[in-house]
Amino acid sequence: AQSVTQPDIHITVSEGASLELRCNYSYGATPYLFWYVQSPGQGLQLLLKYFSGDTLVQGIKGFEAEFKRSQSSFNLRKPSVHWSDAAEYFCAVNAGKSTFGDGTTLTVKP
Amino acid sequence: EAQVTQNPRYLITVTGKKLTVTCSQNMNHEYMSWYRQDPGLGLRQIYYSMNVEVTDKGDVPEGYKVSRKEKRNFPLILESPSPNQTSLYFCASGREEAGGRYNEQFFGPGTRLTVL
Repeated sequence: AQSVTQPDIHITVSEGASLELRCNYSYGATPYLFWYVQSPGQGLQLLLKYFSGDTLVQGIKGFEAEFKRSQSSFNLRKPSVHWSDAAEYFCAVNAGKSTFGDGTTLTVKP
Repeated sequence: EAQVTQNPRYLITVTGKKLTVTCSQNMNHEYMSWYRQDPGLGLRQIYYSMNVEVTDKGDVPEGYKVSRKEKRNFPLILESPSPNQTSLYFCASGREEAGGRYNEQFFGPGTRLTVL
């Protein structure tokens, strides 16, 4: 059975600091992996996705993620966080049956 | 404008009173799905559909029904709602890719349901 784990429920970073959100997955083959962001009271928006090829993928708003097959990970990174990045972030795998992690809430300190 | 629409956006009802939440997409996507979101539990898939007349259970299907008679519509039916179905519900759609996998999902704005 597929699964997605986001080990960090809540992360706080200072504005301008770097960010890494962790995601581990379990899936029988190479999955399609996604990161979504949800601002308070809003729906979900795609940040980036990995299908195949280059393991470092770029997304919107300056985010990137690296797929590491050996570690079954797909961690999300941003070099310099902005106050507007405060939101909840979800990692997901979709093979028809779709599985989301429980989410990581990001707080940005001024 | 490409979008997924849900109606109603807010609904307060009582236990046992049948209700339907509609979902429609205008992107000609094969894949549609329903999720519920509860604090600390992320998004949990209720049902999904890979195409017309094809539906399958997600992780939390109990107490819900769906149908996919047309490609654009995927209504969620609660035949006898109970208070534990109070939640935020999202509909989503996506395009099918090769190998039976699915591209990014486009989400509706959500329906906040309260069952008293």
